[in-house]
Formats: sequence, C-alpha cells, structure tokens
Amino acid sequence: GAVVSQHPSWVICKSGTSVKIECRSLDFQATTMFWYRQFPKQSLMLMATSNEGSKATYEQGVEKDKFLINHASLTLSTLTVTSAHPEDSSFYICSARDPSGMTDTQYFGPGTRLTVL
Amino acid sequence: AQKVTQAQTEISVVEKEDVTLDCVYETRDTTYYLFWYKQPPSGELVFLIRRNSFDEQNEISGRYSWNFQKSTSSFNFTITASQVVDSAVYFCALSEGTGRRALTFGSGTRLQVQP
Repeated sequence: GAVVSQHPSWVICKSGTSVKIECRSLDFQATTMFWYRQFPKQSLMLMATSNEGSKATYEQGVEKDKFLINHASLTLSTLTVTSAHPEDSSFYICSARDPSGMTDTQYFGPGTRLTVL
Repeated sequence: AQKVTQAQTEISVVEKEDVTLDCVYETRDTTYYLFWYKQPPSGELVFLIRRNSFDEQNEISGRYSWNFQKSTSSFNFTITASQVVDSAVYFCALSEGTGRRALTFGSGTRLQVQP
C-alpha cells in the first residue's frame, strides 16, 4: 500500500522555540493532507486540512498563527508549531489523500511525538 | 454533524476469549465510510478495515470480523480467540462523503489481553 512518512518521529524542544514537522507521500500525489493531534490517552482530533497550493483550513479552536501549515507540493505538507509551550506537547499525525484510485483513500503517517520542556 | 461513539473505554479479557468492540455513529449523509484502526503503544495507526455505507455485508478476515448494521448505525468489531498481541487501543472512525473528507474518530477502546 501507499506510504506516508513523517519527520521527525519524535522531537524535544525548549519552550518558546518553533518546531517543523514534515509529512510526505512517498509514492503518490496527495492533493489533500490532514493534520491531527492526539493528547495522551485521548482520541485523534482534526486540526486542519491542507490543500496543495492554497491556504489550510483550520478547525474551530485551532490557532492558525500558532500552527502554520504549508502544502507547497503534491507530496509534502509541513506543520510548524511556533513558540511552542508545554501544552503543545502531543502526538501529531498526518494523513494524505490519494485520489488516483476508484475511490479516494487516505493513508496515515507514523506520527511525530512532540515534547516541549 | 458526524459523531462516533465508542462506549467501552477499556476491556480486559483473557487470552483465547472472544471480544467485541462496539461502535455507534451518527451522520446525515447517505454516503460515508466507516473504519477501524488499531493503535499499538508505538502510536502508529494500523488500518484494519474500510466499509462504505452501501455495503452492509459482514466481513471476516482471519480472527477479525465486522458487523455493519445501518438500522442501528453500528459497526462492531469482533476478535475471535484473542491473543496478547491484540492488546492495543482500537479506534472506529467515520468519513462523510466519498472519502475526500477527514476522519472523525471515536474515543477509542483500550483492549488488554491477559495471558
């Protein structure tokens, strides 16, 4: 099946710094990518929808100036957590939509665990 | 708006027991997809099944089986003869439309299989 990668797989940073997370579709072109956040022992919550070449659409309650999303190519979307704080510590998971088949299929990346000290 | 409910927060069984994980969903769309994912401690989501709203056939894959009932808006998942390796958090999810939209996840059910 299709593969979606995320980099880094884990990151520890100091409060106030910015962290960039990459999501890549390795063998298909993803016109749409989704970013989810998962706090410990909780479910996955959609943060934003990223469409190639256009601005991301953020879910209610997600600060677009804090979570910058760039979908500059059909295989890469990045999420930048700006001025990270301990409450941003979470597991961030992306998914990429492959529209090439008879039905759209979404593939999830392995996730990035962010710890802000 | 769409919603997925997994009422069982945690289930503990002994190896070789059968276990059923419940999932109830809400949607106004007539076209939608339902999913089950497994999340082991590593965190990576493991895809188990996708079912569209027009296909109510039950499915069996090895020790796994799924029961989809539109009449009760349920999509339950049964593991037969559970094994310790089945221990994980299981998520049921819904995507409205033709697969282009994001998934809405249930709160998950943590399954512990004791040896």
